[in-house]
Amino acid sequence: DAEITQSPRHKITETGRQVTLACHQTWNHNNMFWYRQDLGHGLRLIHYSYGVHDTNKGEVSDGYSVSRSNTEDLPLTLESAASSQTSVYFCASSDLDKHTDTQYFGPGTRLTVL
Amino acid sequence: SQKIEQNSEALNIQEGKTATLTCNYTNYSPAYLQWYRQDPGRGPVFLLLIRENEKEKRKERLKVTFDTTLKQSLFHITASQPADSATYLCALSLGGYNKLIFGAGTRLAVHP
Repeated sequence: DAEITQSPRHKITETGRQVTLACHQTWNHNNMFWYRQDLGHGLRLIHYSYGVHDTNKGEVSDGYSVSRSNTEDLPLTLESAASSQTSVYFCASSDLDKHTDTQYFGPGTRLTVL
Repeated sequence: SQKIEQNSEALNIQEGKTATLTCNYTNYSPAYLQWYRQDPGRGPVFLLLIRENEKEKRKERLKVTFDTTLKQSLFHITASQPADSATYLCALSLGGYNKLIFGAGTRLAVHP
């Protein structure tokens, strides 16, 4: 069965370190998204990609970057982790050809920045 | 400004009753409205979608209504069960823009 996976599931890091969160999907979807979810804010879009070598900024992109070198993977990098980036991060994908934009989510990564 | 609002307070209901969750939006013209379920420690899971020209959609014990004049969607779970306890998110699709705009979600607790 097709799926979307994230790793690690939990991560503790220190302020100033670079951190990369992995996202891998086997749906063969063109679109991939990264969100963060914090209490009271719901899902906020960080970055997204509509295909290989395409990346776009979302509403909360400062301090984060992504790259898309193949269809399956969209890693999220925190260049210099800050305590404000402690959150739960979700990756999602959707089919470019479906105008409904229904998204399929990974299980999430809980990141703690000390 | 553009907003999507869901009740921030948890909804507590008795098993067997109908749960009704509300999603209101302003300054959007969505082509589709979607509902997702999220369990603790897990990612959201798609449940139902309703198009702008549809008034109502049903799937088993779930029913969604969509009123584009009121800019509101209602999500109903009939004959609710404790297993329905979760957070429910509404999301707008503007159609063809390949993005969703999510509400913050409403937590539902169904008590035996």
